[in-house]
Amino acid sequence: EAGVTQFPSHSVIEKGQTVTLRCDPISGHDNLYWYRRVMGKEIKFLLHFVKESKQDESGMPNNRFLAERTGGTYSTLKVQPAELEDSGVYFCASSQDPRTSRSTDTQYFGPGTRLTVL
Amino acid sequence: DAKTTQPPSMDCAEGRAANLPCNHSTISGNEYVYWYRQIHSQGPQYIIHGLKNNETNEMASLIITEDRKSSTLILPHATLRDTAVYYCIVRPMDSSYKLIFGSGTRLLVRP
Repeated sequence: EAGVTQFPSHSVIEKGQTVTLRCDPISGHDNLYWYRRVMGKEIKFLLHFVKESKQDESGMPNNRFLAERTGGTYSTLKVQPAELEDSGVYFCASSQDPRTSRSTDTQYFGPGTRLTVL
Repeated sequence: DAKTTQPPSMDCAEGRAANLPCNHSTISGNEYVYWYRQIHSQGPQYIIHGLKNNETNEMASLIITEDRKSSTLILPHATLRDTAVYYCIVRPMDSSYKLIFGSGTRLLVRP
């Protein structure tokens, strides 16, 4: 079974440009999460999708960040315009719905996208 | 804020058991204890979780005290590849709640 995949693995852009990160969750996982780790800080939650709906977006830093999950499959996270402080590693995770799968909703993470804003 | 307290760093010799402690004195009855680790700059890797009973899987064992206010992750035979930052996280059960990461414990396995 394929794990969570993320694209690209690295992205280097200039301040003011736009970048779109993609996450493909584990097949069948309704829950999709975005997290990020900026330099020297802890991993922080950004938002949570249940299928195509945003369940919790309390961690989104500002309106320069837009996450979508059309069709409830893969998700994109767009940063527009990017600022220097957006540099970091962006992780995506997915989990099953314990109400439908009879399993725990353990989150499994992708390898991350390292974003560098110059 | 993270609801757990972990030592910032530990080390152990290769082949020996690594015992990583975690305090979660304010844990609620409906919260699980989860352990993840992050090797270098990879994505966090799920290790194990438990509610109140001790748990064991192919990676590790989790010992939770009877009052549930602390737990210990045990790597029975640590290898160099177990060098990583280990995170102890509490989160509600029966929900798909976000994970709140603290600063974790940096484990160094020495040759």
